[in-house]
Amino acid sequence: NAGVTQTPKFRVLKTGQSMTLLCAQDMNHEYMYWYRQDPGMGLRLIHYSVGEGTTAKGEVPDGYNVSRLKKQNFLLGLESAAPSQTSVYFCASSQHRDINTGELFFGEGSRLTVL
Amino acid sequence: KNQVEQSPQSLIILEGKNCTLQCNYTVSPFSNLRWYKQDTGRGPVSLTIMTFSENTKSNGRYTATLDADTKQSSLHITASQLSDSASYICVVKVRSGGSYIPTFGRGTSLIVHP
Repeated sequence: NAGVTQTPKFRVLKTGQSMTLLCAQDMNHEYMYWYRQDPGMGLRLIHYSVGEGTTAKGEVPDGYNVSRLKKQNFLLGLESAAPSQTSVYFCASSQHRDINTGELFFGEGSRLTVL
Repeated sequence: KNQVEQSPQSLIILEGKNCTLQCNYTVSPFSNLRWYKQDTGRGPVSLTIMTFSENTKSNGRYTATLDADTKQSSLHITASQLSDSASYICVVKVRSGGSYIPTFGRGTSLIVHP
C-alpha cells in the first residue's frame, strides 16, 4: 500500500516557468490538500478538495491552481513560477466519513526551488 | 493572529529526560485536536487524537492532554530517545462551511542530545 505519493520529489525552475506537482493516493480518500512549508511558518494550506471535481482555496492560494479530475489524484500547478514559491510542498489526504477523527496522511514532500 | 499557537518554538533536552510541549488554540467550533510528529525531510505522521470530551490519551511514551475549557493541549514525552528529535505539530480541526478543515500550529522543534 503506497499511501500518498508525490512526484517529483525535487525540482528546480527558472522564474516564469510552469510546472505541475502530482499527488496520488490509493486509500480511496475523499479529501485531499496541498500545503507549503517554509522555515518558521509551519504548514500553510494552498488549496483543498472535498471530492472529485471540486476544489477550494486555502490560506495562500495566489499563484497556484489545482485540479481533481480523478478521486485519487490532486494536481498543483504553477503557471509562472516566482522565487517566493520556493518551498517544500506537501500533499495530504483524509477520509470524509471520518469527520470526528480525520487523520491526515501525508506524502513525503516535493522540494521546489525557483531561481 | 495564528489560531493555533505552540510553545516553545524549539527545545533541546538530554536523552532520557522528559519534556512537555504546549498548544493553545482559539478556533471554534472545534472537532478534534491531533499531535503530529514530523521527522526531518519527511511528511508529518499522527501521534494522537483528542476529541473535546477526552482529557488524556497515551501512545507509548507520548501522552497528550486536553482542556477544552481553556483551549489548551499538551504533549508530554517520557524518557526521551534520540529518535524523538523532530518537529511536533498541533492540528485543530475546525468546521468551515460544510467541511472540517485542519488548522496547523507552527510546530515545536525538539532536539534530543545523547
